[in-house]
Amino acid sequence: GAVVSQHPSWVICKSGTSVKIECRSLDFQATTMFWYRQFPKQSLMLMATSNEGSKATYEQGVEKDKFLINHASLTLSTLTVTSAHPEDSSFYICSASALERAGTDTQYFGPGTRLTVL
Amino acid sequence: SQQGEEDPQALSIQEGENATMNCSYKTSINNLQWYRQNSGRGLVHLILIRSNEREKHSGRLRVTLDTSKKSSSLLITASRAADTASYFCATVHNAGNMLTFGGGTRLMVKP
Repeated sequence: GAVVSQHPSWVICKSGTSVKIECRSLDFQATTMFWYRQFPKQSLMLMATSNEGSKATYEQGVEKDKFLINHASLTLSTLTVTSAHPEDSSFYICSASALERAGTDTQYFGPGTRLTVL
Repeated sequence: SQQGEEDPQALSIQEGENATMNCSYKTSINNLQWYRQNSGRGLVHLILIRSNEREKHSGRLRVTLDTSKKSSSLLITASRAADTASYFCATVHNAGNMLTFGGGTRLMVKP
């Protein structure tokens, strides 16, 4: 149990276009979902925390108008990279905390989405 | 921002040897977790150790935590080529379940 999926797994787009990445908890309800960005050979950097039905909380330095997060249900969160530029090319990873394990510290990670902006 | 440092940044060993990775952090924590990431893939949760625990085992993994030194270590015994991956520590502060990751250690186990 506790599987998190992401779609797409890899996307290549032209500069200036917008890209939507989906994060789904497949067999559990997620109270909170987290979005991370990882550049090659670097660690994960938290971009934002999203709770179902409320606005996402963005980390310092992350532009909320560029990285739009929607958490419409307890099983789905989306990250839209608007007007993508080559410097947005990165590995985007989501994670989810399970509702039934509220108060615990376990996050379940998705497999990641590799974004390449030409 | 990243909580702390991991060392070494890269480690290359022969199959069968033990691998030790260290993690240091800066502020008090609720717990510390270790994750594994294969190249270009998502993270796999390995083990969680709480601030009131000093040592924990899971199979070939042994994790220690020294809160006085704000450091943790991950030991992989009898390493296998399949253990080749990046290993990250992540801390959870008292304020919630947000994870803050260390820089990671890239482990290569040569067959």
